[in-house]
Amino acid sequence: SQTIHQWPATLVQPVGSPLSLECTVEGTSNPNLYWYRQAAGRGLQLLFYSVGIGQISSEVPQNLSASRPQDRQFILSSKKLLLSDSGFYLCAWSPGTAKFSYNEQFFGPGTRLTVL
Amino acid sequence: EDQVTQSPEALRLQEGESSSLNCSYTVSGLRGLFWYRQDPGKGPEFLFTLYSAGEEKEKERLKATLTKKESFLHITAPKPEDSATYLCAVAGSARQLTFGSGTQLTVLP
Repeated sequence: SQTIHQWPATLVQPVGSPLSLECTVEGTSNPNLYWYRQAAGRGLQLLFYSVGIGQISSEVPQNLSASRPQDRQFILSSKKLLLSDSGFYLCAWSPGTAKFSYNEQFFGPGTRLTVL
Repeated sequence: EDQVTQSPEALRLQEGESSSLNCSYTVSGLRGLFWYRQDPGKGPEFLFTLYSAGEEKEKERLKATLTKKESFLHITAPKPEDSATYLCAVAGSARQLTFGSGTQLTVLP
């Protein structure tokens, strides 16, 4: 069976510090991978998605970036955090097919980021 | 632009009191509608996918239905452990899922 891991689970960082959140998927090959941010009481906002190694699409302009160095590894980064970057960050995967957006996505446990 | 509206925002039920959650959507060419359950501080847990009007899916006390404009998540004889936020999402012409803001369900013992 497939499992998805995220770490760290919680993170408190000062404004202006760098960020690195990691997501890994087990039990599947060539998955589509996604980063979302969820603000309190609001829906999920898609930040990045990837259909393969080194292939990243950005949905929202911001000071965040994403990378996919390995097939089942997805990293969310920032060089300098802003207060507005606080939130709940979720990684998700879906089976890799041509019409990936029509498949259900499976979410990781999330990372709670607080920027002070 | 795809849009999803969920209602009510919050719902309190007594244990055993059946009810329905609504997900209204506007999408250019529906490719799929998804229901998730989210517990506080955790990632969403996939429940159902519906692809066409008239389709129904069931899991334990939950039943999801789909029309051309909305989806309902029916909860029959809920228990306190059904308390969670239920999220609806649609896949349309955009290469992403559009999520609603969710319905926070509380089932009182």
